[in-house]
Amino acid sequence: KQEVTQIPAALSVPEGENLVLNCSFTDSAIYNLQWFRQDPGKGLTSLLLIQSSQREQTSGRLNASLDKSSGRSTLYIAASQPGDSATYLCAYTGTASKLTFGTGTRLQVTL
Amino acid sequence: EAGVAQSPRYKIIEKRQSVAFWCNPISGHATLYWYQQILGQGPKLLIQFQNNGVVDDSQLPKDRFSAERLKGVDSTLKIQPAKLEDSAVYLCASSLSAGARETQYFGPGTRLLVL
Repeated sequence: KQEVTQIPAALSVPEGENLVLNCSFTDSAIYNLQWFRQDPGKGLTSLLLIQSSQREQTSGRLNASLDKSSGRSTLYIAASQPGDSATYLCAYTGTASKLTFGTGTRLQVTL
Repeated sequence: EAGVAQSPRYKIIEKRQSVAFWCNPISGHATLYWYQQILGQGPKLLIQFQNNGVVDDSQLPKDRFSAERLKGVDSTLKIQPAKLEDSAVYLCASSLSAGARETQYFGPGTRLLVL
């Protein structure tokens, strides 16, 4: 069974801190990996998508990296803000062309 | 561009009752997905449609769950009869096509509580 593990499960940081969320996966044959944001009562919003041939993607204060050989991805958030508080999910697209999600990291950025 | 619409947003039912959820995908999107997200877990794919045909329903509990996508646009997901463990958020998503590189766009979800 292919699995996705996200560490930590929950994280609380003061505003302005840089932070790293971790994602590890067991499927070695992935097409891409995505990081999603989920706000309470809302759907998922795709933040960054890294194709299997890429090493990283950047969008504003967010940077995601992918190391297929070790089965790891990280999401780096720079200068965190209270508006970044949400649950962050990583998911990969495998050979079955469907998304397999991790359990998420619940982030709280405090004032 | 309008996003993926879902209704109702919340539903509370008693076990053994029936419930139905509705999804309207983004216009022009051929592929539609239903996911189940249990509290504390990531979404799990229940069924995937390509137009009005089923592509993958391997994780759909077919003894109680059913889904259809008549005319290849809107879709409904039904649970009959519901069990306590069906309490979850049901997410609908759509994409232009079923390719691995296609971005899926998610609706706000329907939160179901089975008592």
